[in-house]
Parts: sequence; structure tokens; C-alpha cells
Amino acid sequence: EAGVVQSPRYKIIEKKQPVAFWCNPISGHNTLYWYRQNLGQGPELLIRYENEEAVDDSQLPKDRFSAERLKGVDSTLKIQPAELGDSAVYLCASSLRQGGYTFGSGTRLTVV
Amino acid sequence: AQSVTQPDIHITVSEGASLELRCNYSYGATPYLFWYVQSPGQGLQLLLKYFSGDTLVQGIKGFEAEFKRSQSSFNLRKPSVHWSDAAEYFCAVGPATDSWGKLQFGAGTQVVVTP
Repeated sequence: EAGVVQSPRYKIIEKKQPVAFWCNPISGHNTLYWYRQNLGQGPELLIRYENEEAVDDSQLPKDRFSAERLKGVDSTLKIQPAELGDSAVYLCASSLRQGGYTFGSGTRLTVV
Repeated sequence: AQSVTQPDIHITVSEGASLELRCNYSYGATPYLFWYVQSPGQGLQLLLKYFSGDTLVQGIKGFEAEFKRSQSSFNLRKPSVHWSDAAEYFCAVGPATDSWGKLQFGAGTQVVVTP
């Protein structure tokens, strides 16, 4: 089966510009996660979806970050405006059942 | 407070030697435990996971981990490392009571393999 697909792989933007990341989960996986991984650290959850519903977005900086998962399949994560501190790897993961997480390759964002 | 600690930021090991990566956790409920590996520029690949039962868990690529409840530890081991094992390794815990709960990760251990 195809894995979790993320695009773009790399993105360099100037601060204050908007940016969007896209994730296509494994077919049939109802649960989708966005994690952020800062340099030298482990990933941290930003938001979790059950189908179309965001069930845990407590760690999402809502003043500049937004996410959506239309039709319960693909998801986009947006930052507007981006700040220097947003430079990180943004990882998408999906799961069908407990412990069955599959991560995508991530999008490496550099804000200059 | 929930936390995952990987005490070793960086480990250097010779090819063919054994490897042990430490993981300690603090978790209010019964946790599920995971080890992931991340190669440069890649996503996270699951090595193994522990839910219940036998406390010695076998994973892919010849790795194993042992859950010790009394020590709140879940250390990862490999008897003989290969050059391809050079990567970053993350320990993670998830809530056993929430089937779709978030994973909490440690800061990772960077493994360097020398000839």
C-alpha cells in the first residue's frame, strides 16, 4: 500500500509570508495527525483529526496556524504569517488502530 | 506531568558491537510504548511497540526492547549493529486508555556507527 504522502518536501519562505503543507494519508485511515519536529527534538503533536473532526488541537497556535481535513481524507496545514521560529519539520501521520501510526517523510520548512 | 527521557543525546558504536539505547518515562496511566527510527531527511519508521504481555518485544531490523515497569524504562537493544543503523532513535509513549491518543516523544538519541 502507498504510505503517507506529504508535499512539498522542502519549503523556504520569507517571514510574514504564508505557507501550506499537504498530506494524503493511507487509504482507510480515519485518524490523521500533524506533528512539528524542531531541530534536535522529538515530534510534538499539533492537531489530531478523527475523520473530518479536529479532536485535539490544544497544541496548535491558533493565531497563525490553521488546518483542515475536508471529506475526511487529505489534510492541509497552513501558517499565516510565518515567523522565524516556525522553521521545523512538519510531519503528518495516519492510523487505523492503536499503535498503527505511519508517518510521512515530512516537510522541512525554513523561514528566513 | 508526562515525560519521556532519553538520557543519551549521542552514542558512537563500532560496527558489529552491541547497542543499547535508554528510555525512561513518566506517565500517569498505563502507557503504550514505541521506538521509532529516523534517517536523515526521512520520516519516522516504527521499530517496535509494547502494549501488554511479554515484556521483551522483538522488532524489525534485529532490534528488541524490554519493558521494566518497576524502573519505568523501555530500553532498546541490538546485539550487533550495522553501518545502516546510523540514525536518530526516538522513544515514545501513548495512552493505553485512548486508542487514538497522541504520542509523546523523547528528544532522541543520535547513533553514529564507526567502521
